[in-house]
Amino acid sequence: SQQGEEDPQALSIQEGENATMNCSYKTSINNLQWYRQNSGRGLVHLILIRSNEREKHSGRLRVTLDTSKKSSSLLITASRAADTASYFCATGGGATNKLIFGTGTLLAVQP
Amino acid sequence: NAGVTQTPKFQVLKTGQSMTLQCAQDMNHEYMSWYRQDPGMGLRLIHYSVGAGITDQGEVPNGYNVSRSTTEDFPLRLLSAAPSQTSVYFCASSPQDRVSNQPQHFGDGTRLSIL
Repeated sequence: SQQGEEDPQALSIQEGENATMNCSYKTSINNLQWYRQNSGRGLVHLILIRSNEREKHSGRLRVTLDTSKKSSSLLITASRAADTASYFCATGGGATNKLIFGTGTLLAVQP
Repeated sequence: NAGVTQTPKFQVLKTGQSMTLQCAQDMNHEYMSWYRQDPGMGLRLIHYSVGAGITDQGEVPNGYNVSRSTTEDFPLRLLSAAPSQTSVYFCASSPQDRVSNQPQHFGDGTRLSIL
């Protein structure tokens, strides 16, 4: 079964606006990762946040993690048409590098 | 570095046929895994490996076999293809970290149709 569920399933915004995607998960985790997938391509790692971190930044990306609510959010600021993609959260927690992925948010940024 | 390379990119099979999806990485990563991606279901883990000679089942292993004879290669075998195995298959690799997970590197996928 899926560990993570993203919300919303789809999001359409104008270029320059901010985009926020949310991820909820079910069990305790070691870390949570966000990935981007452009149409017809593989997933690309964006950012990893560990369970003892609350917020992390990378360029125009800001990720928050609330382990008490078992949720995370990904904020993309000043979005560009090139940000159009599907975004997935993935959780890890075991001794292996096994990740469990959510169902994804499809982001469309209109120029 | 080429990263993670998957072949073929596209394949059409008939029900009952067998085939092997190839995955190779040149980053000396210990951990490798196979996922399938179906519409509305995200990625589901099929099999994974933490090093040469070691494999284990993921969430949806039925109908698939894997082996890991070298660090670089992790082929996925469909034993007797079924229409339910029509999907996009992704291979991923990462360094193995026993303390915390590492970002995974993905190939561009194999799009498989079973008729």
